[in-house]
This record gives sequence, C-alpha cells and structure tokens, in this order.
Amino acid sequence: GAGVSQSPSNKVTEKGKDVELRCDPISGHTALYWYRQSLGQGLEFLIYFQGNSAPDKSGLPSDRFSAERTGGSVSTLTIQRTQQEDSAVYLCASSFLSGGGRGDTQYFGPGTRLTVL
Amino acid sequence: GNSVTQMEGPVTLSEEAFLTINCTYTATGYPSLFWYVQYPGEGLQLLLKATKADDKGSNKGFEATYRKETTSFHLEKGSVQVSDSAVYFCALRSNTGKLIFGQGTTLQVKP
Repeated sequence: GAGVSQSPSNKVTEKGKDVELRCDPISGHTALYWYRQSLGQGLEFLIYFQGNSAPDKSGLPSDRFSAERTGGSVSTLTIQRTQQEDSAVYLCASSFLSGGGRGDTQYFGPGTRLTVL
Repeated sequence: GNSVTQMEGPVTLSEEAFLTINCTYTATGYPSLFWYVQYPGEGLQLLLKATKADDKGSNKGFEATYRKETTSFHLEKGSVQVSDSAVYFCALRSNTGKLIFGQGTTLQVKP
C-alpha cells in the first residue's frame, strides 16, 4: 500500500523567504509527527498531531515554525523568514495510534531536503 | 528527561563479521524501543522493535533484547553483509508518542 509521502523532495530558498512543506500520511493513521534531521543536531522531534490537534509542539525551535493538519490527513509545516540554520531534512511520520502497543510504530516519509541560501 | 545514547561510529567490519551496536536509554517507566535504519539515499525504515522488558525484536537477521536492568537495547547480527551498510538509529517512544533518537551509528561493511 501507499506509504507516507512528502513534497517537495527538495527545496532551495533564499534567506528570509517563507516555505511550506507537505506531508500525506498513510491512510487511516490518526497520529502524525514532524522531525528534522541535520548534521549537527541529529534527528529532532518538532510537533505531533493526533487528528487535527497538536498536543505536543514542544520541539518547534521558534515562532517562525508552525504546522497544521486538516481533515485528519494532510499536514503542512510552514517556516517563515527562513534562516540558514533551518537547512535540514524535514521528515514526516505517521502511526495508526499514538499510544503504546501494536499500533504505535511510526512509518517515515522520504523527507524534504531544505536548503536556505 | 528521556534520552538515548548510541555507540559512536563509524563502525567498519568485514563481510560475515559479528555486529554489535550499543544503545542505552534513560526514561521514566518502560517505553517501547526501536531500531531504525537509513540506507544510503533512502528514508528511515523500521528495523525492529520491542515493547516491554525482556522482549526480543528481530528482523533480517538483526536482533535486540529489551534489558530493563541495564537500560539497554543493543543491536546484534551474527554475520553482516555489504548490503547492511547504513546508518542505524536507536530510539525510544516517549509518553506523548514522540520518538527520541540516538545520534546514529554508521556501519560500513567491506567485502
């Protein structure tokens, strides 16, 4: 079946511009997560959605970062006024459930590589 | 707070050698534990998981046992192949559902 998809796969932008990154989770998965992977920081959690609400947004690095999820499906991560330190691979993952047990395995998308010049 | 520590890489082995990648964790309670793998140019894939103490996760010849007494989840494989060359991440699932990852260990297997 279809996995998690993300778009675009690559994004090059100029410092100060806004960018939007999209994630399509696996159909039926209620939980959706955003992470980023960078050379200096490894894999970091950004935000988690259960349905359309975000009970944990503790990983968003600044108020330039925001995310939303609509219809319990697609999510968009928006970075305003991008900075060079925002350059990273942004990963989206989804799981059937957010709680423990058999449904909590997170499946990752291929990521969006963001380069801020 | 929750954290995961992995042995530093890179790890370089010859084909058919025995592999161990150490992983220890700090957490409240007994979280689910995972190993993810990232092959060159590809995304993160779940390799194996264990959800409670003494569980053994296994897949593709890899194994890891959830040891609560040593707070460890070491990854092992008896005979590695060149195709196992990748970056391996140990992770725990926090109470809120987010994954907390170790820093990753690069494995290079030479023929």
